[in-house]
Amino acid sequence: GAVVSQHPSRVICKSGTSVKIECRSLDFQATTMFWYRQFPKQSLMLMATSNEGSKATYEQGVEKDKFLINHASLTLSTLTVTSAHPEDSSFYICSARNGVGEKLFFGSGTQLSVL
Amino acid sequence: AQKITQTQPGMFVQEKEAVTLDCTYDTSDQSYGLFWYKQPSSGEMIFLIYQGSYDEQNATEGRYSLNFQKARKSANLVISASQLGDSAMYFCAMREGTGNQFYFGTGTSLTVIP
Repeated sequence: GAVVSQHPSRVICKSGTSVKIECRSLDFQATTMFWYRQFPKQSLMLMATSNEGSKATYEQGVEKDKFLINHASLTLSTLTVTSAHPEDSSFYICSARNGVGEKLFFGSGTQLSVL
Repeated sequence: AQKITQTQPGMFVQEKEAVTLDCTYDTSDQSYGLFWYKQPSSGEMIFLIYQGSYDEQNATEGRYSLNFQKARKSANLVISASQLGDSAMYFCAMREGTGNQFYFGTGTSLTVIP
């Protein structure tokens, strides 16, 4: 089946630094990828839709200057948390659809801890 | 209104027994898809089963089956012969029409008791 790879799985950083998270579709081309944020014991909250070759579409309330999304190729989308603060600490997970397939395939997630 | 509602925050089931996780949905679209995902403590989201709105048969995948009741707008997940490894969070999700966005419920935490 389709595989989505996400790195790193865990990152700890100091307040004020920027963190980049990568999401790769390994065996299919993903024109659209999605970035979610999940707080402990809560559901997934869609942050933005990443479109290859164009600007990402952000959900209401998500700061586009804070969470930079780049979808430079059909297999790679990156999320950069800029000037991270402790309140940005969360679990971030990416996903992609396999072309016209119905399923949404997920990466393994990134646990971000900002000190 | 919530697109997906999961009313069971936590469920317990005895090993080898069957368990039903509830999910109701809200949409005015005629075409939609319903999904169940499993999220173990490791955090990854694992696809379990899919039901299309036009599918006449209930979806089944091994020990997982989806009890699709269109008129009631419910899509309950049934896990048969529960195993200890089934302990995890379970999320119901919906995609409307051909749109990209998936709507997720708040999840149900399932604990399988030996």
